[in-house]
Amino acid sequence: GAVVSQHPSWVICKSGTSVKIECRSLDFQATTMFWYRQFPKQSLMLMATSNEGSKATYEQGVEKDKFLINHASLTLSTLTVTSAHPEDSSFYICSARDPLDPASTDTQYFGPGTRLTVL
Amino acid sequence: KNQVEQSPQSLIILEGKNCTLQCNYTVSPFSNLRWYKQDTGRGPVSLTIMTFSENTKSNGRYTATLDADTKQSSLHITASQLSDSASYICVVGFFTGGGNKLTFGTGTQLKVEL
Repeated sequence: GAVVSQHPSWVICKSGTSVKIECRSLDFQATTMFWYRQFPKQSLMLMATSNEGSKATYEQGVEKDKFLINHASLTLSTLTVTSAHPEDSSFYICSARDPLDPASTDTQYFGPGTRLTVL
Repeated sequence: KNQVEQSPQSLIILEGKNCTLQCNYTVSPFSNLRWYKQDTGRGPVSLTIMTFSENTKSNGRYTATLDADTKQSSLHITASQLSDSASYICVVGFFTGGGNKLTFGTGTQLKVEL
């Protein structure tokens, strides 16, 4: 099946620094990737949709200047948390859609997540 | 507003027992409904996916049902194992002008004990 990886799996950083998280589709080309954030005991919340070769589409309330998304290739999307603060500490999960899957299933394959802790 | 509600919030069962998790949704226009298993500190893994015309879908010991009229779904786990301990998330897809999107439930935390 389709595999999505994330790197790093966890990161601890100081307040004010920037952190980059990578999301890769390992065995398929993903024209569309998604970035989610999950706080403890809460559901996944979509932050943005990342489209290869174009600008990301951000959900309402998500600061595009703070959460920079780059989808430069069909297998890689990156999320950069700029000037991170403790309230940005969360579990960040990416997913990718395999364009070869039937449109009716519209399956998203999720990465293993990245735990970000901002001190 | 699109919403997905799951019950119970948490559940503890003994190994070998069966259990059923519930999902109610108010999502429109409906595209599909899926159940995911999420281990602590990991990304969700798909268990089943059902479109509007499907009433039931099985994946090993997992059986999902869908009643599109009442907008309810259930996930039945038979002969539970310790490794079934995880959060089970009901996710409903809906159509938008910008493509399909997903609405996530908050999950049912299942713990299987000896």
